Amino acid sequence: GALVYQYPRRTICKSGTSMRMECQAVGFQATSVAWYRQSPQKTFELIALSTVNSAIKYEQNFTQEKFPISHPNLSFSSMTVLNAYLEDRGLYLCGARTPGGQGAEQFFGPGTRLTVL
Amino acid sequence: GDQVEQSPSALSLHEGTGSALRCNFTTTMRAVQWFRKNSRGSLINLFYLASGTKENGRLKSAFDSKERYSTLHIRDAQLEDSGTYFCAPSSGSWQLIFGSGTQLTVMP
Repeated sequence: GALVYQYPRRTICKSGTSMRMECQAVGFQATSVAWYRQSPQKTFELIALSTVNSAIKYEQNFTQEKFPISHPNLSFSSMTVLNAYLEDRGLYLCGARTPGGQGAEQFFGPGTRLTVL
Repeated sequence: GDQVEQSPSALSLHEGTGSALRCNFTTTMRAVQWFRKNSRGSLINLFYLASGTKENGRLKSAFDSKERYSTLHIRDAQLEDSGTYFCAPSSGSWQLIFGSGTQLTVMP
C-alpha cells in the first residue's frame, strides 16, 4: 500500500533558529508533494506544491525564502522552516500523490509537530 | 478555507447510532477526500470520490459536484470512530482545501 513517513514526528526549536523536516513515500512514486500546516485552532492550509522537475509553487503568505523545499526524487521531499518564530508552530503535513492527473488521491504522513520556544 | 463549509463542528453519538457530516462548497470541486485524524495525529484516508457514492463498512460518502456538497454517513458508531473528521475537496489543481473539521465523540 501507499505509505508516507515524516521525520521527525515532534521537534522543538528556539525562536530564530531553523528546523528541517523530511517526507518519505513508500510503495508508490510521489511525483507531486504538498506541504500543509495546521496552526493551533485552525484547519490545514497549503504552504507549497512541489512536482519533480518543475518549479515549486508557493501559496500566498508562504515564500521560498522562509520555507525552502527540496524534492530531488520520486520518494523524498524535505522542507525547512527558517528563522522559526511563535507563529510558525503547528503540525506540518506532507501529502504525496502518484501520477494520475489532476485531483488524484493524496496520501498523508503523520506530520511533524513543531514547537517554537 | 472559505470555499469549504463543514458541519457540524462537533458531534456526540452513542454507540450503535449514526449521523452524517456535510461539506458545502462555494465553487465547483473536481473531487473530494475524507480523512479521520486519529489520536496519534495521523490523517487516515477514508474516501476519495470524483463523483457518486462509496461505501466502506459502516461509512458511506457521497459527492455531488454540481450541487456542490459532499457527505459522510456513519452508522452503528463505535468508540474507535471518535476523532476529528475532515473533508478536503480539490478544485482542479490537486491542491486540497481542508474543511474546518468535525470533532466526533462516540459515547458508551
